[in-house]
Amino acid sequence: QITLIESGPTLVKPTQTLTLTCTFSGFSLSDSGVGVAWIRQPPGKALEWLAIFYWDEDKQYSTSLKNRLSITKDTSRNQVVLTMTNMDPVDSGTYFCAHSLHDAADYRYLDYWGQGTLVTVSS
Amino acid sequence: DIQMTQSPSSLSASVGDRVTITCRASQSIASYLNWYQHKPGKAPNLLIYAISRLQSGVPSRFSGSKSGTDYTLTINSLQPEDFATYYCQQSFSTPLTFGGGTKVEIK
Repeated sequence: QITLIESGPTLVKPTQTLTLTCTFSGFSLSDSGVGVAWIRQPPGKALEWLAIFYWDEDKQYSTSLKNRLSITKDTSRNQVVLTMTNMDPVDSGTYFCAHSLHDAADYRYLDYWGQGTLVTVSS
Repeated sequence: DIQMTQSPSSLSASVGDRVTITCRASQSIASYLNWYQHKPGKAPNLLIYAISRLQSGVPSRFSGSKSGTDYTLTINSLQPEDFATYYCQQSFSTPLTFGGGTKVEIK
């Protein structure tokens, strides 16, 4: 059974750095084709893909946010950590992590998601 | 980045209706198109990947297709639990962009 749980601060101040942790179980990030992605949703807006960490250590980022994002993994703790620098009120929203599968037919999809964690950026 | 344009942004429908949602990519994405359902306060749920492949456990009233440059999600015989927001996502190239969403509301 695959589960993912997001954790981190609920409130950050403008200009601060946000650090979010995705703790997962039921799979290994070393398994071929597996990745852990981060996605966010500002209030009342659409889902926005942020970053992904793949089984082969490859990392990919949102083009518009890549200068502010960093994604790392802690294998011993089954965690993937996302950091976002220079937070602004427009970065407020729910942040999700998800299990990504890159299957043998080269299709990629997010088949398991966490419940999300709400982050508010305010002074 | 590949832009995904969904239409309509919202629609009202009744239980039992057939609903179609369309997604168009700004460039060719071949068959790399996924659909998700999202309810408020819940985790998004993968419905369909690779245009038309139904994720395990998803009811067969959901289906996906492609015609020309348009990708379509169809819900046959809309059920009360189907009222939600639906998103398309391209998986052709990173960043793996989502469409703007279609909110399906009760008429």
